[in-house]
Amino acid sequence: DVKVTQSSRYLVKRTGEKVFLECVQDMDHENMFWYRQDPGLGLRLIYFSYDVKMKEKGDIPEGYSVSREKKERFSLILESASTNQTSMYLCASSPTGGANGELFFGEGSRLTVL
Amino acid sequence: RKEVEQDPGPFNVPEGATVAFNCTYSNSASQSFFWYRQDCRKEPKLLMSVYSSGNEDGRFTAQLNRASQYISLLIRDSKLSDSATYLCVVNEQTGANNLFFGTGTRLTVIP
Repeated sequence: DVKVTQSSRYLVKRTGEKVFLECVQDMDHENMFWYRQDPGLGLRLIYFSYDVKMKEKGDIPEGYSVSREKKERFSLILESASTNQTSMYLCASSPTGGANGELFFGEGSRLTVL
Repeated sequence: RKEVEQDPGPFNVPEGATVAFNCTYSNSASQSFFWYRQDCRKEPKLLMSVYSSGNEDGRFTAQLNRASQYISLLIRDSKLSDSATYLCVVNEQTGANNLFFGTGTRLTVIP
């Protein structure tokens, strides 16, 4: 089974703190993604990566950055957390870039920014 | 403008009932379509793809109507374990950066 592991299930941070969300997949997938999920808004793509050291902006990249130094690991960084970044963050990976619709998601990291 | 729209529900149905969800999409050039299932406090998982000719997987039937730009999911003989949120997903082009998720339709199957 594909395993996508997110390092923290629940985090509470203060406004202005730097936040790292880590994601590791064990299936040698080329493509990895970061989404946030908010009530009434659904899943929105923040960033994605189709190869090591490559990254592409998604629909809502403002306030976020990412790092992909190794194939299996994709990190989401909030340089200076703000309250409007309180959300559920979902990492996903895919062998095909999602063209066949199949993304494998981690269990999510629920971030609260106070 | 939302690329993908779903009725958020909730749909509360008795065990054994048949229930159907619709999802509309705005881009007529959309190429592929999917239904995901998300259990409470869990991650989304692919339930099934939606093919132009319609497709069935056990009690689940998915259909696509390109002319009217909607897809549907029919669940027959509902089970308690079907209780979840069902997400409609549309791929506007080849590549994951063009996967658009609906906000989901919540289903509760009641004993």
